[in-house]
Amino acid sequence: EAEVAQSPRYKITEKSQAVAFWCDPISGHATLYWYRQILGQGPELLVQFQDESVVDDSQLPKDRFSAERLKGVDSTLKIQPAELGDSAMYLCASSLGLGQGDTEAFFGQGTRLTVV
Amino acid sequence: GDSVTQMEGPVTLSEEAFLTINCTYTATGYPSLFWYVQYPGEGLQLLLKATKADDKGSNKGFEATYRKETTSFHLEKGSVQVSDSAVYFCAQTNYGGATNKLIFGTGTLLAVQP
Repeated sequence: EAEVAQSPRYKITEKSQAVAFWCDPISGHATLYWYRQILGQGPELLVQFQDESVVDDSQLPKDRFSAERLKGVDSTLKIQPAELGDSAMYLCASSLGLGQGDTEAFFGQGTRLTVV
Repeated sequence: GDSVTQMEGPVTLSEEAFLTINCTYTATGYPSLFWYVQYPGEGLQLLLKATKADDKGSNKGFEATYRKETTSFHLEKGSVQVSDSAVYFCAQTNYGGATNKLIFGTGTLLAVQP
């Protein structure tokens, strides 16, 4: 069964260091999402790609976060410098497209980030 | 803005008990509604969905009905099992336009005791 792959599963980094997460969506899925889930809360969208283009990054803290999906397939989310408040689960999801019939989002297992 | 409100947990039940987790939403349009489940240390899995008013989503014994008049999408199961212990998230999305992001509630932890 096709899955969204994320790595690493766990990451511990020191404050002010750089950290990067990788996501490989389900093959053929044009839409890719990065969500952040703070402990005890629901996920919140950071950035959404349609193919290689960003369609929503309104909640992405652009002074320290960046995301790219250069060839419209896999994606990288970077934080530089990391802050204590960035400790969270980072979830990647993908879906076929934007139409109603094909927007079911499939989630990866997430990357648990701890900033110390 | 659009939002989702869920009942706070944890919800603790004995095996074979009846489950209800309340969910209400506010939306500017006519959203599709979802329930996702998250097992410890895992990502989210879609449990069920409904795309229009009066639709009933169902899966694995869980059901939820899209109630436009009360803006609700309560999750129910007639007889819970220990294996149902997880965090349940209600979510909505509005299709159309350039984005169809999911808006989640805060989640409800369900603990089922044998």
